[in-house]
This record gives sequence, C-alpha cells and structure tokens, in this order.
Amino acid sequence: GAGVSQTPSNKVTEKGKYVELRCDPISGHTALYWYRQSLGQGPEFLIYFQGTGAADDSGLPNDRFFAVRPEGSVSTLKIQRTERGDSAVYLCASSLIGGQQETQYFGPGTRLLVL
Amino acid sequence: QQQVKQSPQSLIVQKGGISIINCAYENTAFDYFPWYQQFPGKGPALLIAIRPDVSEKKEGRFTISFNKSAKQFSLHIMDSQPGDSATYFCAALTPSGAGSYQLTFGKGTKLSVIP
Repeated sequence: GAGVSQTPSNKVTEKGKYVELRCDPISGHTALYWYRQSLGQGPEFLIYFQGTGAADDSGLPNDRFFAVRPEGSVSTLKIQRTERGDSAVYLCASSLIGGQQETQYFGPGTRLLVL
Repeated sequence: QQQVKQSPQSLIVQKGGISIINCAYENTAFDYFPWYQQFPGKGPALLIAIRPDVSEKKEGRFTISFNKSAKQFSLHIMDSQPGDSATYFCAALTPSGAGSYQLTFGKGTKLSVIP
C-alpha cells in the first residue's frame, strides 16, 4: 500500500507569514507523529497524535506551532508568524497503534524555507 | 541536551569493507533502539532495530551490537556497497507520558562507500 505522503514537498515563504503543512499517514495507522529536521541534524520530536487527539505536544517549540488531526487520519501542522529559524524539513511519521517497540514509518518531508 | 550521541559524523569506506557506526545513550528509560537510513531528499527508513534484552541482532549484511551495561550500541554494515551510501541515524524510543512514544535521534553519520 501507499506510504506516508506529505504536501507540499517544498514551501518557500516570507518571514511573518502563516503556513500549513499536510500529512497523509498510512491507511489504518492510528498514531501520527511530527518531527523537525534541521540541516545536518537528526529529526526532533514535535507532537504525537493518537487518533484525533494530541496526546503529547511537548516538542512544539512555542505557541506559534499548532497541529490538528480532526478525523483521525490526515494531519496539518500550522505555523504562525514564521521566522527564519523555522526553516527545516518537517517530517511526518505514522505507526499502527502507537505502541512500544513499534516501527514509525516516515514520509519524505516538507522542506520549509523562510526568507 | 543530546540524549543519544552518535559517531563518527562522517565515514568513508572502501567497497567490500565493514562500516561501523557507534551510539551512546544516558536515559535508561529507553527501551527500543532502531537504526534509520536516509537518502538525500527522502524521509528516514527503518533499517534494523533491537530491544535492550538482546545483545546482537543480524539482518542480512546489517548487525546491531548492544551493550546495556555500557549504554552503547553500534551498527555494522558488512560487505559495504556504493548503494549503502546514505546518512544513518541511531535512535532510541521511550514512553514519555500520556501514552506517547517519542524517538530521540542521534545527529547522523554520513556514509560514503567508494568503489
């Protein structure tokens, strides 16, 4: 079946603008994760959804970042008043139930550049 | 605070040689240790993973060695091939409350296998 898909693949915006990044998880996966990968670094956890609810948003850097998953499938990461430091690759991952020792499958990422 | 330390940052290996990447961790709550492979422009893909009650796991040319007392684990790639050239990330999974399972990644090792 299809893997995790993310749109857009690239996004260029200006400082201060609002952006939305979309993630389509693997069909049937109830757990969804967002990570951020800066250049030359490993991915860093942002937020975890179990179904429709954000079970853990401890990785969100500040209140400019927000994510939703209203129907328990597609998720949108929203960034308000973007800053140049927000430039990174935003990765989405999904897993079957969000359990211990469970594989997280990653999408290709959205490359965000804030000018 | 970097909870998973990975070395080396980059590695050049001759075709047919052995590639070795090392990781160390401090948090004893980590209970699952996957390795991810990432090609340029792609998301990380699970390569192999190990639980802390196992000292070694082998899948084809890839082997994880795990030393729980030293809190270290390593990836060995036997008979390295040019197609193995990629960035490799070690990671550790921990429950972080509210049923969340975050992956904490190392900074990555860029492997180049030369013919």
